[in-house]
Amino acid sequence: AQKITQTQPGMFVQEKEAVTLDCTYDTSDQSYGLFWYKQPSSGEMIFLIYQGSYDEQNATEGRYSLNFQKARKSANLVISASQLGDSAMYFCAMREGLVTGNQFYFGTGTSLTVIP
Amino acid sequence: DVKVTQSSRYLVKRTGEKVFLECVQDMDHENMFWYRQDPGLGLRLIYFSYDVKMKEKGDIPEGYSVSREKKERFSLILESASTNQTSMYLCASSLQGVGPQHFGDGTRLSIL
Repeated sequence: AQKITQTQPGMFVQEKEAVTLDCTYDTSDQSYGLFWYKQPSSGEMIFLIYQGSYDEQNATEGRYSLNFQKARKSANLVISASQLGDSAMYFCAMREGLVTGNQFYFGTGTSLTVIP
Repeated sequence: DVKVTQSSRYLVKRTGEKVFLECVQDMDHENMFWYRQDPGLGLRLIYFSYDVKMKEKGDIPEGYSVSREKKERFSLILESASTNQTSMYLCASSLQGVGPQHFGDGTRLSIL
């Protein structure tokens, strides 16, 4: 089974509107971390936001927030007040457990286009 | 800020050559990773290392090897480059156990 599933290959949003990018995950661990990354066309992967499995509050970083629904195993990224510079690929990722050498698992990404 | 530096942004090599991709991080991270990224396939893990001289195979290790002689440096080696290894290669590092991965800018490698 896929560890991370992103079901939206492409999304469009009007400038200044909010957009939600979906992410579901699969793990049997109690301790894990969820991450979102942004990859512009230039190729670098930029870390955006982190949610720990024991965090009771949804993570927020500026215009980014993570809608964490543990029972549903979803970790959707919400971008508020979209800007043209938000056009990029967005990847959801998970890190299981706290053991040495634990891997990260990435989804296949969502391509976001912000329309002026 | 964490800095992960990959030696080349763009690289062109010929089939059969031995190719070295270098990655250096400056934050004393224990873990380092090499991924390749291809359109429609997302990021695929080639190798990772959680300590000096330690290495673990990822999902697609065939045709690659790695070296980690110092904590800050993780090298990816294409033993005999082939055209199907043309790809974007991303290096990342992280602390042991918790926290995000931090990525370099990537190397776009073309094998002719």
